[in-house]
Amino acid sequence: KAGVTQTPRYLIKTRGQQVTLSCSPISGHRSVSWYQQTPGQGLQFLFEYFSETQRNKGNFPGRFSGRQFSNSRSEMNVSTLELGDSALYLCASSPPAGAYGYTFGSGTRLTVV
Amino acid sequence: GIQVEQSPPDLILQEGANSTLRCNFSDSVNNLQWFHQNPWGQLINLFYIPSGTKQNGRLSATTVATERYSLLYISSSQTTDSGVYFCAAYTGANSKLTFGKGITLSVRP
Repeated sequence: KAGVTQTPRYLIKTRGQQVTLSCSPISGHRSVSWYQQTPGQGLQFLFEYFSETQRNKGNFPGRFSGRQFSNSRSEMNVSTLELGDSALYLCASSPPAGAYGYTFGSGTRLTVV
Repeated sequence: GIQVEQSPPDLILQEGANSTLRCNFSDSVNNLQWFHQNPWGQLINLFYIPSGTKQNGRLSATTVATERYSLLYISSSQTTDSGVYFCAAYTGANSKLTFGKGITLSVRP
């Protein structure tokens, strides 16, 4: 079956702009989580959605937001981009959250200039 | 929250050698996963192993939950094994994966 699909793969944005990233989970998976990876901070948890509800949020400013749709697809949005938002953004899906392990997508590499 | 530590941070091997990568975690976990990050950034799931031992080809993993550590064994290493290996712990209370800093493995031909 198809894996976790993230779009786009690469993005270049200017400081102050906003960006929306998309994640389609494995069919039947209802939990979607987002992670940010940077060389300095490693892999950090952003938020997790289950059945369209945000169940947990990491320690990120309010400029980072997300949502989940009824078909379990998820989007995350970053407003007023800063240079420090340049990172690899990874999405993961699982059946009930974490119960049988997470499967990650290929990621979106965001560069803010 | 839970702390996850991986060692060693870097590992250089000659092709054909065996290696052991270690992951320590500070609290009880519901789930422990090992990932290999490929050059394009994707985290490839190697093992879902909250406890016990599993094997997949040249790779195997053991988690001793009562002692809060997990080991990933790579036998007869190949250059394609190079990359960064992460372990990540899941605790149901926080509903998220907490990652270690990763182990960078370089396999020389």
